[in-house]
Amino acid sequence: GQQVMQIPQYQHVQEGEDFTTYCNSSTTLSNIQWYKQRPGGHPVFLIQLVKSGEVKKQKRLTFQFGEAKKNSSLHITATQTTDVGTYFCAVTSGTYKYIFGTGTRLKVLA
Amino acid sequence: NAGVTQTPKFQVLKTGQSMTLQCAQDMNHEYMSWYRQDPGMGLRLIHYSVGAGITDQGEVPNGYNVSRSTTEDFPLRLLSAAPSQTSVYFCASRKDQNTEAFFGQGTRLTVV
Repeated sequence: GQQVMQIPQYQHVQEGEDFTTYCNSSTTLSNIQWYKQRPGGHPVFLIQLVKSGEVKKQKRLTFQFGEAKKNSSLHITATQTTDVGTYFCAVTSGTYKYIFGTGTRLKVLA
Repeated sequence: NAGVTQTPKFQVLKTGQSMTLQCAQDMNHEYMSWYRQDPGMGLRLIHYSVGAGITDQGEVPNGYNVSRSTTEDFPLRLLSAAPSQTSVYFCASRKDQNTEAFFGQGTRLTVV
């Protein structure tokens, strides 16, 4: 079945450093979504990518969808303590199943 | 705007007990799902529904039952709780398969 792997599992960065998490699928995707979960909270939607090679930006966050639509990345420039949390990608498996990657937990050291 | 409401927020069960986790949404979404979150495992899909009367199994369905008698409600039943079911449970709803998911606040379940 569909597998979605995220790397790295954990990342500690100094405040001001950049951060990147990668999401890799075993199959071609119709779209991919990214979520952020703050410690003790619930996942919150960030963005959806649909087109091959698509790049979208939200302030310091840059999201990219691979040309083959089998991978995606989230890059944060100059991390801040407010970026702390776990970042998940999510994909549609089959027609209706909506599954999440394993997540990357980000810690930002002030 | 309530969004997705889960109850209870916390629960402790003894092994073998049964219980129902409640999930309700007021956005008229057709798609609803239950996930469990364990350290290092991400969010794993338990069961999902694409409309009233329609449910299907996710990645880890064993030990759980669901039903969807109305668009608003999607309860998750633990038939005979086991320590392996200790986890944080999230309910989510979506308008359709290509839109964002909205999550409830989660239920932290401990089975002793």
